[in-house]
Amino acid sequence: DAGITQSPRHKVTETGTPVTLRCHQTENHRYMYWYRQDPGHGLRLIHYSYGVKDTDKGEVSDGYSVSRSKTEDFLLTLESATSSQTSVYFCAISEPIGRWDTQYFGPGTRLTVL
Amino acid sequence: AQKVTQAQTEISVVEKEDVTLDCVYETRDTTYYLFWYKQPPSGELVFLIRRNSFDEQNEISGRYSWNFQKSTSSFNFTITASQVVDSAVYFCALFGTGANSKLTFGKGITLSVRP
Repeated sequence: DAGITQSPRHKVTETGTPVTLRCHQTENHRYMYWYRQDPGHGLRLIHYSYGVKDTDKGEVSDGYSVSRSKTEDFLLTLESATSSQTSVYFCAISEPIGRWDTQYFGPGTRLTVL
Repeated sequence: AQKVTQAQTEISVVEKEDVTLDCVYETRDTTYYLFWYKQPPSGELVFLIRRNSFDEQNEISGRYSWNFQKSTSSFNFTITASQVVDSAVYFCALFGTGANSKLTFGKGITLSVRP
């Protein structure tokens, strides 16, 4: 158990509204990631963080922003949600230390944008 | 760019049959890491194995075994004597180095094990 929680676990929202998903970890991992999972696409990286206030883009970052003001929390924000952002979102950490280490995933957040 | 191909999309077997899930990868990196993850119907992603590019030893863990062959860029996963609890989506993934320092997933294989 890598000590990762995600909130909310389920959310339904309307197009154009802002949405923030939270990932929380309890074991002081340096690297944290946000992925989205869609049918036929596997998992795709949205953004990742390599420390407090240090973030970088993944392959599908358009329409998303992230913030990491504390080691334990990594927030994913959809500034103005669109139906194409309906997906399951997973947070992950690398353990034990580095970016090349194994990634462990949180339980996921199912987001529906109407 | 790196790529992971899982050509099989859905496999259905009867309990106790052996089944092999194929994974073929593409990368120009000399150092890279390969992974398998399991996603049961409950939705969580469960780490199964990690293999480094410089270690071609095959691995066996109970009913699970993995065959890593650099010559054919494959990292196949075999479940021996399958059980209903093995029903899940299985993802192969590749982590490269340098500009490819990210985890690239295949599209997954849905395995159904019938009683």
